[in-house]
Amino acid sequence: DAGVIQSPRHEVTEMGQEVTLRCKPISGHNSLFWYRQTMMRGLELLIYFNNNVPIDDSGMPEDRFSAKMPNASFSTLKIQPSEPRDSAVYFCASSYDLGLAGGSSYNEQFFGPGTRLTVL
Amino acid sequence: AQKVTQAQTEISVVEKEDVTLDCVYETRDTTYYLFWYKQPPSGELVFLIRRNSFDEQNEISGRYSWNFQKSTSSFNFTITASQVVDSAVYFCALSELGNEKLTFGTGTRLTIIP
Repeated sequence: DAGVIQSPRHEVTEMGQEVTLRCKPISGHNSLFWYRQTMMRGLELLIYFNNNVPIDDSGMPEDRFSAKMPNASFSTLKIQPSEPRDSAVYFCASSYDLGLAGGSSYNEQFFGPGTRLTVL
Repeated sequence: AQKVTQAQTEISVVEKEDVTLDCVYETRDTTYYLFWYKQPPSGELVFLIRRNSFDEQNEISGRYSWNFQKSTSSFNFTITASQVVDSAVYFCALSELGNEKLTFGTGTRLTIIP
């Protein structure tokens, strides 16, 4: 069974350009998460979706960041315009939420291989 | 607000030694979930274990064992007879009932010296 798929694996772009990161969750999973990992801030949640609906986007840094999940098998994280401080590894993760009390919180999240973004 | 503290930034041990990675958490909820993830040099995050707040039994899986103590808000991870392949960054994480958001600790970089 395929795991979480992310593309591209590496992205190098210039400041001001638009960047789109893509994620395909594990089939059957209904929750999807976007994380960012940097040396300074560690692993931090940006946004997560449950059944394609954004549930918590409090970690999204600013209006330059946006995320969509048009269907159960695809999500995008877009940065426009990109800045050097956005350089990081972006992880997508998915899990199966049993739907208890708004979220089981119990099932482990399976992570994709990450996208390493460098903004020059 | 929930918080996870991994005070050990880096640990180095010689192969075959035992090593314990510490994790201390803070939460106001009575129902919560604890996790450990491994991030090897290749960069992916690998799930190791989850625990819910009602289950304080220690768990052993091969050379790995976990000690959960609510009284001290700790969820420590021990590797017995360490191997070079155990070299990685290990993250402890917490989530609360009703919110799937994972709050990660800052990680402990473990280096096993052959």
